[in-house]
Amino acid sequence: QSVLTQPPSVSGAPGQRVTISCTGSSSNIGAGYAVHWYQQLPGTAPKLLIYDNSNRPSGVPDRFSGSKSGTSASLAITGLQAEDEADYYCQSYDSSLSGCVFGGGTKLTVL
Amino acid sequence: QITLKESGPTLVKPTQTLTLTCTFSGFSLSTSGVGVGWIRQPPGKALEWLALIYWDDDKRYSPSLKSRLTITKDTSKNQVVLRMTNMDPVDTATYYCAHKITVAGTDYGLDVWGQGTTVTVSS
Repeated sequence: QSVLTQPPSVSGAPGQRVTISCTGSSSNIGAGYAVHWYQQLPGTAPKLLIYDNSNRPSGVPDRFSGSKSGTSASLAITGLQAEDEADYYCQSYDSSLSGCVFGGGTKLTVL
Repeated sequence: QITLKESGPTLVKPTQTLTLTCTFSGFSLSTSGVGVGWIRQPPGKALEWLALIYWDDDKRYSPSLKSRLTITKDTSKNQVVLRMTNMDPVDTATYYCAHKITVAGTDYGLDVWGQGTTVTVSS
């Protein structure tokens, strides 16, 4: 059971908008620690998609955006494309565990 | 350009100790704010953080695996080594190392990952 909770799967048609939630607690997201998002395409290593809650590394399309409120964070993807079909993970730091924590991952299916 | 590459055995027997090496380039692990972490992913399952070592030799471990893990760095060789004792078939996974940096209070996450190395635990 992951410290950060994500929905196992989400889906959307090409061009649509989807969101992926990441729910934590007062010892991680709620404590103000940064939330990061990673995209893992099939058979590849994870890639940083969003850092520090809402910032995109260079090269990441602005179709991807992140937000945080209270003990939760969200990843939004607009203008869905077939190439967005992947697993998405949120990650933060947990003060009670004194280390990094990941969500259980969300599989995005583009219909 | 930052790159990391994991190396180590592809097959280990139960009860053996696994030693993985992360060899990196493009940064120094003696630079303030820099760290290298290890993360694993069992087949078809989620990412699991294992350990992290910082430029100042601060070390953090997953509480559930802390008794079995040791992370060390060799700054002169640009390497980070992870040792995991008493391997079990449930430890079968792809093991990744990744670069981490915090600058001026901003946490940039695990911004560059290695390609991963697959480890199978079987007799």
